[in-house]
Amino acid sequence: GNSVTQMEGPVTLSEEAFLTINCTYTATGYPSLFWYVQYPGEGLQLLLKATKADDKGSNKGFEATYRKETTSFHLEKGSVQVSDSAVYFCALKDTGGFKTIFGAGTRLFVKA
Amino acid sequence: ETGVTQTPRHLVMGMTNKKSLKCEQHLGHNAMYWYKQSAKKPLELMFVYSLEERVENNSVPSRFSPECPNSSHLFLHLHTLQPEDSALYLCASSQELQGGYEQYFGPGTRLTVT
Repeated sequence: GNSVTQMEGPVTLSEEAFLTINCTYTATGYPSLFWYVQYPGEGLQLLLKATKADDKGSNKGFEATYRKETTSFHLEKGSVQVSDSAVYFCALKDTGGFKTIFGAGTRLFVKA
Repeated sequence: ETGVTQTPRHLVMGMTNKKSLKCEQHLGHNAMYWYKQSAKKPLELMFVYSLEERVENNSVPSRFSPECPNSSHLFLHLHTLQPEDSALYLCASSQELQGGYEQYFGPGTRLTVT
């Protein structure tokens, strides 16, 4: 069945450091891929998405590219801020059905 | 109100109580979801409603009972819960078939069972 694996956290970085959070997936079809972010005390919110191979999703300085050959969707940001401290979830969804498969989440701490 | 709202935000209940969680979406979506989020565990999908019909029920104990009276409202009725049911309960909605399939989440209800 479909699954998502993302790097375990927590990840601790200093402000302005480069961020990578790895995400790989297994899927039988051609899923859409997502990164969601959860700030303390809130629900998840969509950060970015990509719906087909080689698509790049981007938002708020974050980017991720849908790599079918490596079944990956790694999240990157060139310069993190303290306000980026949150839990990040990689997710996939097939075009049929209602189920979104979420990774376990990676907690990011950014120090000033 | 915009987006997805949930009430109450916090709830403490005894094991013999009956309570309900409420979710409302203001996005015109046609699918709604209940998730359970526990510390150190992956997000668990509990129920899915599409056009007010339940389309998924992931082996959830019968002490959780969902209700979807219309496409904008979703309830989770709780009775005789156990301490291990303490968690953050998240509601979400999406526009299936015509949409991009991303989900929009509410802020959650933090439930503590004593």
